Amino acid sequence: NAGVTQTPKFRILKIGQSMTLQCTQDMNHNYMYWYRQDPGMGLKLIYYSVGAGITDKGEVPNGYNVSRSTTEDFPLRLELAAPSQTSVYFCASSYPTSGRANEQFFGPGTRLTVL
Amino acid sequence: GENVEQHPSTLSVQEGDSAVIKCTYSDSASNYFPWYKQELGKRPQLIIDIRSNVGEKKDQRIAVTLNKTAKHFSLHITETQPEDSAVYLCAARQAGTALIFGKGTTLSVSS
Repeated sequence: NAGVTQTPKFRILKIGQSMTLQCTQDMNHNYMYWYRQDPGMGLKLIYYSVGAGITDKGEVPNGYNVSRSTTEDFPLRLELAAPSQTSVYFCASSYPTSGRANEQFFGPGTRLTVL
Repeated sequence: GENVEQHPSTLSVQEGDSAVIKCTYSDSASNYFPWYKQELGKRPQLIIDIRSNVGEKKDQRIAVTLNKTAKHFSLHITETQPEDSAVYLCAARQAGTALIFGKGTTLSVSS
């Protein structure tokens, strides 16, 4: 299994541009998550999904959108990029939280800079 | 919603000493408390976790304790080694939701 994969690894955007961060998992996990990590800070939850077609806002959803059309994919969309969105973005997945295993598996991250 | 506070933000110890990191959470419905280790430029990786029906869990040199009444949990690392140097992240979650993380503790172990 490749686990959780993210593309791209790095990206530089200009203010006002848009982009989609891709996330795919091959572990058949129902739950998927997007976090951002600013320098010296913990992980802040942006959005999460408990299954295809279902998404929920996290702690910092403003400026982002998500969709979940398949179990495997959970893309994160940035519209009108702003410098405040400069961060490292981590995607994660897990089995249902009431089920047998609770561990969230993280992808390698996408380092985004908005200039 | 859930809020997780983590202390200290930085911790420096000598090799062989013990290290303790503490977290408090706000939502009494939270029932799962993991600890992640994140090395520089890498993804977070789970090192130990505990559910709300257990008070303590050990795995070799690391242990986690949970006090549900006070709503706090702690990570204990004994006989620290230089390779333990990293950022440690605590988190809390209730069923059906996502992990909410603390701000992290940067542990430095000097030899």
